[in-house]
Order: sequence, then C-alpha cells, then structure tokens
Amino acid sequence: DTAVSQTPKYLVTQMGNDKSIKCEQNLGHDTMYWYKQDSKKFLKIMFSYNNKELIINETVPNRFSPKSPDKAHLNLHINSLELGDSAVYFCASSQHRGPSTDTQYFGPGTRLTVL
Amino acid sequence: AQSVAQPEDQVNVAEGNPLTVKCTYSVSGNPYLFWYVQYPNRGLQFLLKYITGDNLVKGSYGFEAEFNKSQTSFHLKKPSALVSDSALYFCAVRDRGDTGFQKLVFGTGTRLLVSP
Repeated sequence: DTAVSQTPKYLVTQMGNDKSIKCEQNLGHDTMYWYKQDSKKFLKIMFSYNNKELIINETVPNRFSPKSPDKAHLNLHINSLELGDSAVYFCASSQHRGPSTDTQYFGPGTRLTVL
Repeated sequence: AQSVAQPEDQVNVAEGNPLTVKCTYSVSGNPYLFWYVQYPNRGLQFLLKYITGDNLVKGSYGFEAEFNKSQTSFHLKKPSALVSDSALYFCAVRDRGDTGFQKLVFGTGTRLLVSP
C-alpha cells in the first residue's frame, strides 16, 4: 500500500504553460507539505497545510498555488512555468499531534522539466 | 533559525567496513533531529530520529545515530556497510515556528558510495 503518492511521476512541459501535481496520503495524517529539490539536490519546504488550512508559505512566487480539498490531498498548481521551476517536487505528510508526531513521510517525487 | 550542516559531499567506504556520515546542528532549544535516505530516482525514506532520551538511536536497515550535545553532532553510523546502502543521505532538524507547526530544515546531503 502506497502511503504518500504523487502524480505524475514525470512532467515535461514548455515555458509559460500551467501544470498541476497531485498528492494523496492514506496515513490518516492531518498535515501535508510540498518540498522542492533543486538540481544540486538541495531540499527546501514550500508550503504546509494542516486540516486544509495553509500554515506555512515559504516566500514562494505566487505562480505557485497549493490547494487542499481535504486533509488527505494536497495539490500544487503552477502558472506560467519558468525554466527555473525545473526540479523534483516532493509531497510529505505528518501527524501534528500524537505519538508519531514530527516524523514526515515522503512521496516518490515528481520530476518537472520546463523546456 | 534552526539549521544542520553536512560537511562531506561524498563518503566512500568499502563493503563490510563501518561507515559514518556526519551532521552537526545549530538550534535554539532542544533539537529534534532526523536522518532520511534517498535512493536514486526515489523519494526520501525515514531512517531514524532523536527527540529525547538515549543518545544512541537505532533506526531502519541497521543504521544508528549518536546524538552528542557537547559537540552539537548527530552522526549516522552503521557497523558494516553494504553496497545497497549507496544513496544520498540527508540530516534534518525540526523547526517549529510561532504557530506551533513544524517544518523540516535539511542539510545539503551526503552521497554514500559503498564499493564491493
């Protein structure tokens, strides 16, 4: 059973296009995240949602718009794609309260290539 | 702000030898520290964490990490390396802001290469 899943796994698109990445978790967690891994493998948080509410927004361009329809899903929509958006995007989830709090579980990543 | 540093871009070790991947931290308050591993073209997998308690933390796949407060370090170790351990290893620290919600701040990663 896949705990945190992302679609698509690969995304190749032209500059200026709009694209979305979807994330779903079946761990029953209440908090979800988007991280960006650049070409040098550096990982940085972009957004976090708790129970569908935005709680972390790390100075990300407003071309990036996360949406959480329910606490098991967190999607990332990107408008007007730029070359610099090429990266691997990871979704993660965790439980804010409880015995396993603080441990984040990651999806397999979506490799976005902007041409 | 909380941060971690991984001083080595790459660590090379022969199969069967012990391995150490280094991490130092800089935090205000008590540190919550993590190790994750990323295999090629895969997501990050949780290995272990230190919250409180014993300084030696045991995790998945035979890995362990030693928390050292005086040296502000949290080095990842394994007594006997396997070729299949070759991967990218990330140290991370929990940064809990004013809202009480947490994010992970990652180090730059260390590539471990285990030769046969």
